[in-house]
Amino acid sequence: NAGVTQTPKFQVLKTGQSMTLQCAQDMNHNSMYWYRQDPGMGLRLIYYSASEGTTDKGEVPNGYNVSRLNKREFSLRLESAAPSQTSVYFCASSETGYTEAFFGQGTRLTVV
Amino acid sequence: QKEVEQDPGPLSVPEGAIVSLNCTYSNSAFQYFMWYRQYSRKGPELLMYTYSSGNKEDGRFTAQVDKSSKYISLFIRDSQPSDSATYLCAMRYNNDMRFGAGTRLTVKP
Repeated sequence: NAGVTQTPKFQVLKTGQSMTLQCAQDMNHNSMYWYRQDPGMGLRLIYYSASEGTTDKGEVPNGYNVSRLNKREFSLRLESAAPSQTSVYFCASSETGYTEAFFGQGTRLTVV
Repeated sequence: QKEVEQDPGPLSVPEGAIVSLNCTYSNSAFQYFMWYRQYSRKGPELLMYTYSSGNKEDGRFTAQVDKSSKYISLFIRDSQPSDSATYLCAMRYNNDMRFGAGTRLTVKP
């Protein structure tokens, strides 16, 4: 049982490049989330999906887009990467909006 | 003012000590509370989940919630060097889940 799987684990981008971070969960959860973690700022919610086919903005959505491809998969896209998007990105899932959330191992992204 | 405030630490204690970690919050809509442990360069790992005021115990860990004061705590008894990590409090209302900045704990042998 893998839980929440994120790919890639590490990535270096040049300013202006685009990329997609992938996330998949095998727990049959309805809700999925994307967070970024920066030193001293904790985890901040970028986007979430309460169910297949729906997505909503979180605290810091600017510069990002998401796709809930199916119940298992939730991707995060950076269309034109900026140095301010250098961060560690975490995907999480939960059965509903009222239950505990489980996290993946993270993607460490550097934009130069 | 941040919605979730967490004592930043760092906190250093000897092995066997009782550790107290705390968070306060301002949004009374938060109804569900979690504590996560995060080792360096790893994802957050769920430790405790609770939704009511009072205490919840799991082994050496006790989570305490006081909704009237908007205050939550995590107590670690008989702390071990393997407990050295960053501890994150989290709280949610529906799919809006907010985190504290984390407290770094070191338990010295």
